[in-house]
Amino acid sequence: EPEVTQTPSHQVTQMGQEVILRCVPISNHLYFYWYRQILGQKVEFLVSFYNNEISEKSEIFDDQFSVERPDGSNFTLKIRSTKLEDSAMYFCASSEIRDFGTQYFGPGTRLTVL
Amino acid sequence: EDKVVQSPLSLVVHEGDTVTLNCSYEVTNFRSLLWYKQEKKAPTFLFMLTSSGIEKKSGRLSSILDKKELFSILNITATQTGDSAVYLCAVDNYGQNFVFGPGTRLSVLP
Repeated sequence: EPEVTQTPSHQVTQMGQEVILRCVPISNHLYFYWYRQILGQKVEFLVSFYNNEISEKSEIFDDQFSVERPDGSNFTLKIRSTKLEDSAMYFCASSEIRDFGTQYFGPGTRLTVL
Repeated sequence: EDKVVQSPLSLVVHEGDTVTLNCSYEVTNFRSLLWYKQEKKAPTFLFMLTSSGIEKKSGRLSSILDKKELFSILNITATQTGDSAVYLCAVDNYGQNFVFGPGTRLSVLP
């Protein structure tokens, strides 16, 4: 069965550093998403991406965040100048069409900011 | 402000019991409501509901949407210990946001 993969599974960084979280969506999927889940809290939508541009984003997705599809397979989330409160599990997802019901989620990257 | 509320937040039952989980929402541009099960890591998709009154069913799980009263329920019959998880409700607020509720933590005891 096709799957979305994410690397690394756990990233530890110092406050103020930049991190790049990587995702490999399913190969024929065209829509890509990032979510985060702070420990013990609800899942929060960050951004959706289609045709090399952001199609939707939440209020959380401010100038500190950016997304990119640098090549034909990777989809990245960059967090600049990390803060303690950025510590969370970050999930990538992809879908063939803009349909949250057909998304495949990756296993997540746990980001710990010290 | 877009809002998805779930109740109860936590529920403990015994195997064989039937449970009903609730989700209510307030969003500006409703497109669909989705239910997920989250065990250890990423949520896994259960149902997507777009129309009122049409029950979706998968095994012991079923769900229905009421777009007039802005809520949905998820029923699980004959619960098993493997049903223990956090059940998430989310609403596709088309073109703006995808809003998750806080989840209902279900614990099924043997």
